[in-house]
Amino acid sequence: DAGVIQSPRHEVTEMGQEVTLRCKPISGHNSLFWYRQTMMRGLELLIYFNNNVPIDDSGMPEDRFSAKMPNASFSTLKIQPSEPRDSAVYFCASTRTSVAYEQYFGPGTRLTVT
Amino acid sequence: SQQGEEDPQALSIQEGENATMNCSYKTSINNLQWYRQNSGRGLVHLILIRSNEREKHSGRLRVTLDTSKKSSSLLITASRAADTASYFCATVPSTGAGSYQLTFGKGTKLSVIP
Repeated sequence: DAGVIQSPRHEVTEMGQEVTLRCKPISGHNSLFWYRQTMMRGLELLIYFNNNVPIDDSGMPEDRFSAKMPNASFSTLKIQPSEPRDSAVYFCASTRTSVAYEQYFGPGTRLTVT
Repeated sequence: SQQGEEDPQALSIQEGENATMNCSYKTSINNLQWYRQNSGRGLVHLILIRSNEREKHSGRLRVTLDTSKKSSSLLITASRAADTASYFCATVPSTGAGSYQLTFGKGTKLSVIP
């Protein structure tokens, strides 16, 4: 199994630009999570999808952030416009059930907004 | 908000020694999980302990759970340099709409000196 795949691994962009992060969950997993990790706030859940449907987006910081899951094998997290305070590592994780047992994390995307 | 709080924040030991990390949490849980994160990588699930369990073993790992004190500990025996990483506890609440959600602590940074 290839594991959770994220792209790009690193992204450097200027303030105001649109950023799109991509995630391919493990085949057969029907729950997908987007997290953000910073030194100050640790790991924060941004949004949770179950069977491609957003269930909880209460962690999304503001309207500049949006996430989609058009099918079971692909999800995107978009930031438009980006700001320096969005700089963080963004992780995607998937799991087989809707109940949070063990989650499988991707390698993350390190985003730097200058 | 962070549910789990790990202690200590950082731990440095010699190879071969045992490492103990603690986690405290605030609300009733369905289960508690421990994850490892190597520098620059995603999180890897280590072990899950359910609320009705008191102790669990996996290889060199031993996890205990005391629900009356709302605390857990992770013991790594006979540590190796490859165990150098950050270790996070994460909790799943026992009831409510967030019962899918893993809430992570800020982690313990373990350094094992060869």
